[in-house]
Amino acid sequence: DVKVTQSSRYLVKRTGEKVFLECVQDMDHENMFWYRQDPGLGLRLIYFSYDVKMKEKGDIPEGYSVSREKKERFSLILESASTNQTSMYLCASIEQWGIDSNQPQHFGDGTRLSIL
Amino acid sequence: KQEVTQIPAALSVPEGENLVLNCSFTDSAIYNLQWFRQDPGKGLTSLLLIQSSQREQTSGRLNASLDKSSGRSTLYIAASQPGDSATYLCAVSPKRNNAGNMLTFGGGTRLMVKP
Repeated sequence: DVKVTQSSRYLVKRTGEKVFLECVQDMDHENMFWYRQDPGLGLRLIYFSYDVKMKEKGDIPEGYSVSREKKERFSLILESASTNQTSMYLCASIEQWGIDSNQPQHFGDGTRLSIL
Repeated sequence: KQEVTQIPAALSVPEGENLVLNCSFTDSAIYNLQWFRQDPGKGLTSLLLIQSSQREQTSGRLNASLDKSSGRSTLYIAASQPGDSATYLCAVSPKRNNAGNMLTFGGGTRLMVKP
């Protein structure tokens, strides 16, 4: 079974801090994603990566950056945390990129981040 | 822009009932539609994936249908059990500006099955 592991289940940080959320997958997947989930807004894509050192903006990239130095690890960075970034953050991965890849995304258990 | 809507937002049923969850999307140009389950405080678990050329998929007590032309999908749960209580999310993979792996999610239906 694919395992997607997020380093923290709960995290509390202060405004202005630089925050790192880490995600690791163990199945050599090419593609990895970061979402945030908020009540009433659902899941929204922040960034995704289709290869090492490659990244693309999703729907709501403002205030975030990402890093993918190794295939198995995808990091989400809040450059200067703000209270409106309090949310549930979910990481996902999928094996292939392309229209023939009718495969489900595999999700981690999420990190509930609170910015005080 | 693709929008995905799920109705109802919440549903409470007695154990044993058959039930239907609804999902609608505005742009029929999709690669696939997926149904996920989310337990409280957890990530998402994939239940069923229907490719755009398919009409339905089945897994155990779950059956998902897809009517791409009308922009609708349903998730049918037979003989519901308390363990089915969770939030169910549908997501589409829109074709526009997307090689196939990006998803647009609905807001989810929160299901409670009472013993």
